[in-house]
Amino acid sequence: GQSLEQPSEVTAVEGAIVQINCTYQTSGFYGLSWYQQHDGGAPTFLSYNALDGLEETGRFSSFLSRSDSYGYLLLQELQMKDSASYFCAVRDRVYSNYQLIWGAGTKLIIKP
Amino acid sequence: DGGITQSPKYLFRKEGQNVTLSCEQNLNHDAMYWYRQDPGQGLRLIYYSQIVNDFQKGDIAEGYSVSREKKESFPLTVTSAQKNPTAFYLCASSIHSRLSGGHQETQYFGPGTRLLVL
Repeated sequence: GQSLEQPSEVTAVEGAIVQINCTYQTSGFYGLSWYQQHDGGAPTFLSYNALDGLEETGRFSSFLSRSDSYGYLLLQELQMKDSASYFCAVRDRVYSNYQLIWGAGTKLIIKP
Repeated sequence: DGGITQSPKYLFRKEGQNVTLSCEQNLNHDAMYWYRQDPGQGLRLIYYSQIVNDFQKGDIAEGYSVSREKKESFPLTVTSAQKNPTAFYLCASSIHSRLSGGHQETQYFGPGTRLLVL
């Protein structure tokens, strides 16, 4: 079967660094994506990893270890506007089609 | 500006009524998707379409129907058979999966429609 596990909630302090983990189990893994969703809003794309290693985009970085079926999103210099839910999603091949399989999301709470 | 639009923003359904949610995109994307999101939960795939005149059931298709007569449009009908339709419905699009192969397939989302039952 296919499944993704991520913590339901993470709390951090403004200006700090926080890591959101994601472990996955899929049949045909192609890549791991991260999306951000503010309350009441639509998800927006943050990053994508197809190969092992760290991808950096400004204050956000994403890491993937294919051998461990594990990835994480790292947020640095946290700002109050980073308070949102973060979803990991795996690009998987289901029969002849590709789909994004979504985690349940991690709610990031930032305290001043 | 290119993007995805969904309408209406809020929709109220009466018992036994079918309602249709609109989704339009001008990104020239082949693939389109409908997701359902319940409060505090992740996204669950209802239906997806990789190309015009073709669509596939997702994980929770029962009680829903779709059509894809035009590349730009992918309306979702919530039928009376869907007994618990109250949720946030999100439409998304991406480039054709087969064209992107194993590469990144960013999904672009519309603003969503919140469906409530009267």
